[in-house]
Amino acid sequence: QVQLQESGPGLVKPSQTLSLTCTVSGDSITSGSYFWTWIRQPAGKGLEWIGHIYSTGSINFNPSFKSRASISSDTSKNQFSLKLTSVTATDTAVYHCARGSAGSYDSPKYYFDYWGQGNLVTVSS
Amino acid sequence: QTVVTQEPSFSVSPGGTVTLTCGLTSGSVSTGYFPSWYQQTAGQAPRTLIYSTNSRSPGVPDRFSGSIVGKKAALTIRGAQADDECEYFCVLYMGSGIWAFGGGTRLTVL
Repeated sequence: QVQLQESGPGLVKPSQTLSLTCTVSGDSITSGSYFWTWIRQPAGKGLEWIGHIYSTGSINFNPSFKSRASISSDTSKNQFSLKLTSVTATDTAVYHCARGSAGSYDSPKYYFDYWGQGNLVTVSS
Repeated sequence: QTVVTQEPSFSVSPGGTVTLTCGLTSGSVSTGYFPSWYQQTAGQAPRTLIYSTNSRSPGVPDRFSGSIVGKKAALTIRGAQADDECEYFCVLYMGSGIWAFGGGTRLTVL
């Protein structure tokens, strides 16, 4: 069973950098055809795709976050991380990590099959 | 910029049937967007219901089904139960590693 667990501070000051880590168990982040993804949900609003690191190491971002976000991985710990710079109150949200599946060349399927519980991050002084 | 649209809220009677939809502000949703559907209860991780338009995730009861209706992806819930009352959101794969999320539909069972 694949499990994902977010970790990181619950409170970040405005203008600082938000840092979160997702620890994966039950699968290797370097194997298969998977998008290791960050998604967030501000209170009372919908989910928002931030970006992902693919199992090959390629990275993609929502254009809305491209200038502020970075994603990296530590394969020795089977973790991937998100950094979001210059945060403001509008970055207050529950941040989820998730595994996006691409299926196979013969049977493509693009969806999120495993999710972390989420980590509430509040941006406030 | 194309936005994924969902009804903000919907209500259904216990035992009834409801169809939630997922559209685009520009264009039609097709199977090529691999529409998927998720159920989310407050404070919990989202639960995957449907992927690739109409495939049910393991363990999801067959009263949940997915389809394309007209220009939109659709999630139909039959025999609605009290614990179906939560948020439902759709996700589309836009290609080239880009994903788009709908704003979610709050379903009330009453």
